[in-house]
Amino acid sequence: DAGITQSPRHKVTETGTPVTLRCHQTENHRYMYWYRQDPGHGLRLIHYSYGVKDTDKGEVSDGYSVSRSKTEDFLLTLESATSSQTSVYFCAINDRGGSNYGYTFGSGTRLTVV
Amino acid sequence: GDSVTQMEGPVTLSEEAFLTINCTYTATGYPSLFWYVQYPGEGLQLLLKATKADDKGSNKGFEATYRKETTSFHLEKGSVQVSDSAVYFCALSDHPKNYGGSQGNLIFGKGTKLSVKP
Repeated sequence: DAGITQSPRHKVTETGTPVTLRCHQTENHRYMYWYRQDPGHGLRLIHYSYGVKDTDKGEVSDGYSVSRSKTEDFLLTLESATSSQTSVYFCAINDRGGSNYGYTFGSGTRLTVV
Repeated sequence: GDSVTQMEGPVTLSEEAFLTINCTYTATGYPSLFWYVQYPGEGLQLLLKATKADDKGSNKGFEATYRKETTSFHLEKGSVQVSDSAVYFCALSDHPKNYGGSQGNLIFGKGTKLSVKP
């Protein structure tokens, strides 16, 4: 989507290897989010950030870490990938407050852990 | 905690049929309610929203009314098209009383897949 890009779009990795997914925004939004999407579960929040170096856990944070050293980049790291982390990962941004209550989502990263 | 429940799919309709996708919620504060749509291979897009009770959100022929008395936000469209085939997600964002007007994180339902046949 315009203003937010995720990389890579697809990745296959082996169990036990570290993996980092990147979310980049050009909207200067304060808030950034990582969700995972799985059949039968909808979207579940992994971690979110409310500013540079300010992050917090979501509903399914175990096995994941995040970093935000710049406003525009939010990284999601799987320290040691497991098969249960096979999923589609979405990044989202939001400017919070004002009249804009919508989130803008990236196109997703399909991760397969074999 | 807050949660969203939406009707199980998949839903299959013929073109020009009437669509209803049910969504109910539980929330402790003052939620805003949303419908998002996901087309195949894409991310989610905001379809419509309502920020207070009795508000009606509408977009592209879809509409949903925020019903606080029944804690519902059902999505409707009078005449669906093949191009409406997608997965639809109901979501809420809670506004605790002491949150200073800022928005909480989004909580999603599990999604409802709609297929429209010509």
